[in-house]
Amino acid sequence: AQSVTQPDIHITVSEGASLELRCNYSYGATPYLFWYVQSPGQGLQLLLKYFSGDTLVQGIKGFEAEFKRSQSSFNLRKPSVHWSDAAEYFCAVAASGGSYIPTFGRGTSLIVHP
Amino acid sequence: NAGVMQNPRHLVRRRGQEARLRCSPMKGHSHVYWYRQLPEEGLKFMVYLQKENIIDESGMPKERFSAEFPKEGPSILRIQQVVRGDSAAYFCASSLEYNEQFFGPGTRLTVL
Repeated sequence: AQSVTQPDIHITVSEGASLELRCNYSYGATPYLFWYVQSPGQGLQLLLKYFSGDTLVQGIKGFEAEFKRSQSSFNLRKPSVHWSDAAEYFCAVAASGGSYIPTFGRGTSLIVHP
Repeated sequence: NAGVMQNPRHLVRRRGQEARLRCSPMKGHSHVYWYRQLPEEGLKFMVYLQKENIIDESGMPKERFSAEFPKEGPSILRIQQVVRGDSAAYFCASSLEYNEQFFGPGTRLTVL
């Protein structure tokens, strides 16, 4: 079975600074990988996903993530954070060729200082 | 095109009562998934349904919880005889066949 680790529970950055949120997964084959964002009291919105091909994936809101098979990682990055990016971020992994049901990490809470 | 809709958004029940959570998938989506989110935790998969069929219920508690997705109408997650530990946010997602899931805004259940 697949699993996801998000080692940082909270991350604090200043507005305009760069951001990297870490995600490590465990899965025997090439997985499907996702990053979701959740604002307070809201559902999850998909930021980006990796299925195959180019390991650098571009998403919405200026986010990108890079799949590194050798490190079993799928870290999320943004070059310049905006105050509106403050939210909870979830990394998820699904089995390729399976029923597409993702396993979620416990999330990283992003705090943005002005 | 409306997104995934869930109602109610907030539900308060006393211990021992029943909770019914509804999910209307996006138009054209025939796959529905239910997840539970406890405070400061990620989403935990509960059940995956297609129209009139339960495909995977490996994440459902064995007792008191049931789900259905009838031919007509929304998907229903039913919790009988609720206990305080059932307090959580319950999210529904829908998809086309084996494709990206779109999430609803969730139902926040509070058990007094």
